[in-house]
Amino acid sequence: RKEVEQDPGPFNVPEGATVAFNCTYSNSASQSFFWYRQDCRKEPKLLMSVYSSGNEDGRFTAQLNRASQYISLLIRDSKLSDSATYLCVVNPLSRLGAGSYQLTFGKGTKLSVIP
Amino acid sequence: SQTIHQWPATLVQPVGSPLSLECTVEGTSNPNLYWYRQAAGRGLQLLFYSVGIGQISSEVPQNLSASRPQDRQFILSSKKLLLSDSGFYLCAWASFGTGTDEQYFGPGTRLTVT
Repeated sequence: RKEVEQDPGPFNVPEGATVAFNCTYSNSASQSFFWYRQDCRKEPKLLMSVYSSGNEDGRFTAQLNRASQYISLLIRDSKLSDSATYLCVVNPLSRLGAGSYQLTFGKGTKLSVIP
Repeated sequence: SQTIHQWPATLVQPVGSPLSLECTVEGTSNPNLYWYRQAAGRGLQLLFYSVGIGQISSEVPQNLSASRPQDRQFILSSKKLLLSDSGFYLCAWASFGTGTDEQYFGPGTRLTVT
């Protein structure tokens, strides 16, 4: 099983739609989770952090299911500007050194919001 | 607020030529620093990380090296580039000892080896 697995998509949705992405992770000891957004040919940018069961920020909701080892990202009322690749990121607690943490990145799910 | 800079933004280099990419962070002290590479259609691959000046750890053995001559400066180098070194190179920083794991990325350098 891959460490972090995502459906690559693309997800093509109309404006105003609700879309959800799932991500599964293999290390049951993982404690922290993130969603990053990456626009074409740009750097990844932190969208949300998930340290407990979930997090909500405006139109975006992230939920964590530890028993099934998956994280989801829900986007409501999709905007054209939401078009991007969404990266699921997990800290598998494989410490690299004191105070340093290794994050494991999924390959991303591509979202296209269509007018 | 913290900012992270990388340069150059784009680079085209012939096979066998040397490489030097620079990353600097402002607005924070003693950050953890990381170099990643993202090849076309692939996920982010951690190359190097550093928890302090002069401290470098390598995650993937290859013809690249990294150095941290100052607290907020991280350099990625190669003596001889290979075609397989082409990709999008990203520098990232994270706060040391805060108990949070978020990493923040610079704008990246897109390297094409010809």
